[in-house]
Amino acid sequence: NAGVTQTPKFQVLKTGQSMTLQCAQDMNHEYMSWYRQDPGMGLRLIHYSVGAGITDQGEVPNGYNVSRSTTEDFPLRLLSAAPSQTSVYFCASSYDRDLAGTGELFFGEGSRLTVL
Amino acid sequence: GENVEQHPSTLSVQEGDSAVIKCTYSDSASNYFPWYKQELGKRPQLIIDIRSNVGEKKDQRIAVTLNKTAKHFSLHITETQPEDSAVYFCAASMNYGGSQGNLIFGKGTKLSVKP
Repeated sequence: NAGVTQTPKFQVLKTGQSMTLQCAQDMNHEYMSWYRQDPGMGLRLIHYSVGAGITDQGEVPNGYNVSRSTTEDFPLRLLSAAPSQTSVYFCASSYDRDLAGTGELFFGEGSRLTVL
Repeated sequence: GENVEQHPSTLSVQEGDSAVIKCTYSDSASNYFPWYKQELGKRPQLIIDIRSNVGEKKDQRIAVTLNKTAKHFSLHITETQPEDSAVYFCAASMNYGGSQGNLIFGKGTKLSVKP
């Protein structure tokens, strides 16, 4: 299994440009999410999905869109990039947990985005 | 929504000493508390977790304690080694009967273990 795969690993954008960060997992996980990591701010949840066709907002959703057309893929779209979106982005997935199951989040390697 | 506070933000210890990182949470409905370790330039990885029906859990040199009444939980690392140097994140979520709860993370603690 490849686990959680993110592309690209690095990207530089100009203000106002759009782009999509790709995320795919091959573990048949129902739950997928996107976090951003900024120095001193920890990991903040952007959007999440509990299954194909279902998405919802996290802590910091403004400026980002997501869709979940398949169980495997969960792309993150920046429609009009801003310097405040310069960050490291992590995609993560998990089994649909129950009280007895593990709640482990499996993270991708991260995508470093710079907006000039 | 849930809010997780983590202290200290940085921690420096001598090799062989113990390290303790503390977190508090705001939502009394939260019932799952994991800890993640992130080495420099790498992805976060789960090192230990605890559920609200358990007060303490150990795994070799690491342990987590939970005080539900006070809404705080702590990570304890004993006999620290240089490879324990990393950023540690606590998190909290509420999952109930198969529903996925979102993990809300603390801001992280940078642990440095000096040889």
